[in-house]
Amino acid sequence: AQSVTQLGSHVSVSEGALVLLRCNYSSSVPPYLFWYVQYPNQGLQLLLKYTSAATLVKGINGFEAEFKKSETSFHLTKPSAHMSDAAEYFCAVSDQREAAGNKLTFGGGTRVLVKP
Amino acid sequence: DAGVTQSPTHLIKTRGQQVTLRCSPKSGHDTVSWYQQALGQGPQFIFQYYEEEERQRGNFPDRFSGHQFPNYSSELNVNALWLGDSALYLCASSKLTGASTEAFFGQGTRLTVV
Repeated sequence: AQSVTQLGSHVSVSEGALVLLRCNYSSSVPPYLFWYVQYPNQGLQLLLKYTSAATLVKGINGFEAEFKKSETSFHLTKPSAHMSDAAEYFCAVSDQREAAGNKLTFGGGTRVLVKP
Repeated sequence: DAGVTQSPTHLIKTRGQQVTLRCSPKSGHDTVSWYQQALGQGPQFIFQYYEEEERQRGNFPDRFSGHQFPNYSSELNVNALWLGDSALYLCASSKLTGASTEAFFGQGTRLTVV
């Protein structure tokens, strides 16, 4: 079984400050890891994914995440927050053995508030 | 490319009724998965369809059923609706084979059970 824990259901950052969203996973097999963003009343948009290539993954909108196997973590960062980053962010894991990675296990989400 | 489209966007049903939600996958995708996202929570996997068959299923009761058509579109049916079924229902599509493991999500259907 797989699980994802996102530390902090809400994060408040000032515009221009570092954004750090924490994600820890549990998986008995090599995982694929994902970060998705969800804006109000919308579906999920993929920010970035780790699929066993480079451990530092760069995504859209200036976000990046680092896979650390020893810590079972996949934290998401952005050096400088923008007002448009206000949204909910979900970390997800899937089993590499399952084709297409479409069966995703999500964390509970972290809502980001950006203060001017 | 229209991406993943879901219909309707919103609907309200009465407890005990039945509902059907629809999803058209992204062009070139052959696999459709359904997720339930309750308010304030992360999405929960319901089931996945490939080649018109249910390929995987999450921890949801038999009241939740689905179908995939030859054109890869899919339906989610929920019978005997409970108040607790109120949620955003998300459809995701992908290709079963290939190196890419990215799932593309639709905008969702907001179901309210009263």
